[in-house]
Amino acid sequence: QKEVEQNSGPLSVPEGAIASLNCTYSDRVSQSFFWYRQYSGKSPELIMSIYSNGDKEDGRFTAQLNKASQYVSLLIRDSQPSDSATYLCAVLTLNSGGYQKVTFGTGTKLQVIP
Amino acid sequence: NAGVTQTPKFQVLKTGQSMTLQCAQDMNHNSMYWYRQDPGMGLRLIYYSASEGTTDKGEVPNGYNVSRLNKREFSLRLESAAPSQTSVYFCASKFNKGQTGELFFGEGSRLTVL
Repeated sequence: QKEVEQNSGPLSVPEGAIASLNCTYSDRVSQSFFWYRQYSGKSPELIMSIYSNGDKEDGRFTAQLNKASQYVSLLIRDSQPSDSATYLCAVLTLNSGGYQKVTFGTGTKLQVIP
Repeated sequence: NAGVTQTPKFQVLKTGQSMTLQCAQDMNHNSMYWYRQDPGMGLRLIYYSASEGTTDKGEVPNGYNVSRLNKREFSLRLESAAPSQTSVYFCASKFNKGQTGELFFGEGSRLTVL
C-alpha cells in the first residue's frame, strides 16, 4: 500500500464550479499535510498546509483534514482555467530517528473547461 | 535570491555511465530531499537528509548514493546509470521547525539514460 494515495484523474470541471480533490494516507502518526500545485514542466509550489482536524480556508482554496479517517481534501471554489494543473498531496511524518520525511501522492490532474 | 539551485538542468547518459546531480540552497534550511518524478508516478522520495552528516533512504533508493557535503549542499550520484533512471529529478529543502515547514523545490534536472 502506498503511503499517500490520490486519484490520478483527470478531473474535469467547468469554469466557475467547485473542484474537489481527495487524498488518503496510511501512517496514522503523520503530522502535517500539504497540497502542492504543479504546472506542466514546472516545479511544485505550495498552495495549502493543514495540521489539525477541520477546515482551513485561504481565498478560493479550502483544505479539510480528518485524521480519524486518514483523509485530506482540497476544494477549489470558482475554478478558473488557470487552476488547470496537477495537484499533489504531501504528508510529513517522522522516521524512527525523529527526522522529517515528506512523501507525495501520485497527483491528480485537474482540467478546468472554459 | 536563488533559493534551491540544481545542476545540470539536462543530461543525457549512456547505460553504465556515472554522474552526480548537484543541489545547493541558500535559505539556511536543515533538511534536504531528492525526488524523482515519472509520468503517473508523482514524486517519489529517493533520499533525504535532516542535517549535516545524516542521510536516510526514501521509497526508491536503489541505484543511487547521496552526500550531504555541508548544510547548503546535497548531491545525488548515479554510479552506473540504467534506462530505468530516466526521469526528472527534483531537489527540495525545508526548515525543521516542528511539524510545519514548506518544501522549496529546485527547477528540476531532466536525465535521459540511453
